[in-house]
Amino acid sequence: DSGVTQTPKHLITATGQRVTLRCSPRSGDLSVYWYQQSLDQGLQFLIQYYNGEERAKGNILERFSAQQFPDLHSELNLSSLELGDSALYFCASSVAGPDRVFTGELFFGEGSRLTVL
Amino acid sequence: KNQVEQSPQSLIILEGKNCTLQCNYTVSPFSNLRWYKQDTGRGPVSLTIMTFSENTKSNGRYTATLDADTKQSSLHITASQLSDSASYICVVSFRSSNTGKLIFGQGTTLQVKP
Repeated sequence: DSGVTQTPKHLITATGQRVTLRCSPRSGDLSVYWYQQSLDQGLQFLIQYYNGEERAKGNILERFSAQQFPDLHSELNLSSLELGDSALYFCASSVAGPDRVFTGELFFGEGSRLTVL
Repeated sequence: KNQVEQSPQSLIILEGKNCTLQCNYTVSPFSNLRWYKQDTGRGPVSLTIMTFSENTKSNGRYTATLDADTKQSSLHITASQLSDSASYICVVSFRSSNTGKLIFGQGTTLQVKP
């Protein structure tokens, strides 16, 4: 158990709909990362938050948005869903900040599997 | 351009055999390199971390090597087991005073057959 909790585990929805994925990081971790993994593909970095602020952006579509709340949990919002958005969405957290040496270790949740029909 | 390339893309071996996975990177300035194991449908889990000054590190039947001069790393699996069937991902970290940046390889899918 990594200590990172993601909900829901599975989600089936229709094209054009909107969904929200939720992530609770490990206790004490300030950074949250979101990744998308399509079938048989590598992990694609979407976005990173650190202590409530957006810190880095990857290949995140404009239809997707995210935020990190004061209690450090994060939500990834996916709207106007398309068939191609079907994927596993992983959240990861790390102990990272300006006063720490970043060891590069991410702790991943078990993912949210999104199926768009 | 900062890149991480892994080879082979996929590999099939018989149970009990050894195998070696490769990772080449062009990331700079280098901070550290991690190997992750990702079981199908699960989140990746860190196997080992290699820093600039380390050449070899073992974690059970897994041994990682790093050549910082040639910017290459390998992950050697000894006496493979069925449970080793997974995707192995090489992740390289930038040297940063901030939150750090990571570059992911595409992974090598290993299948161990009985």
